[in-house]
Amino acid sequence: DSGVTQTPKHLITATGQRVTLRCSPRSGDLSVYWYQQSLDQGLQFLIQYYNGEERAKGNILERFSAQQFPDLHSELNLSSLELGDSALYFCASSFTTGGGYGYTFGSGTRLTVV
Amino acid sequence: DAKTTQPPSMDCAEGRAANLPCNHSTISGNEYVYWYRQIHSQGPQYIIHGLKNNETNEMASLIITEDRKSSTLILPHATLRDTAVYYCIVRVATGANNLFFGTGTRLTVIP
Repeated sequence: DSGVTQTPKHLITATGQRVTLRCSPRSGDLSVYWYQQSLDQGLQFLIQYYNGEERAKGNILERFSAQQFPDLHSELNLSSLELGDSALYFCASSFTTGGGYGYTFGSGTRLTVV
Repeated sequence: DAKTTQPPSMDCAEGRAANLPCNHSTISGNEYVYWYRQIHSQGPQYIIHGLKNNETNEMASLIITEDRKSSTLILPHATLRDTAVYYCIVRVATGANNLFFGTGTRLTVIP
């Protein structure tokens, strides 16, 4: 158990629908990062939140949005879903460690759009 | 963050040492070398990181050349469970910014 909790583990939905993925960071970690990994593709950074505020944006589509709540959990909202949105979605939180930052990843949510 | 170059794939016999190279010739003085791995469809897992000295932990050793332009991750006694994609990432220490994952090296441990 990495300490980063993602729910649900699996999600199957139809095209055009909207889903919400949830992430709880490790206790005490203020940053949350979202990554997308399509089949046989690399990990693509989507967005980062730090203590409730958006810190950085990557290759995130306009149909996707995220937020981080006062209790530091984060939600990634995916709307108007397309077949190509089928992927693994990972959340990570960061912590300081002897020089630099460590990143702990959750086990991911597998989204299948049919 | 500096760019890294890794071989796309490597094989290693079970029980032998796996040596995974990484080239980061444009690394800056304040950039650390991080290694992560991703076992099939699981979340990436932190392995080790270092600045300029060699580092060792319970998982692996990290050897960084004196000019810091390349490094090697060593898994001393590879097991089948070490089969994964290994990512070498270079980034600055300050600021908890996102990690950029390249294509990594797919290590296959062979029985």
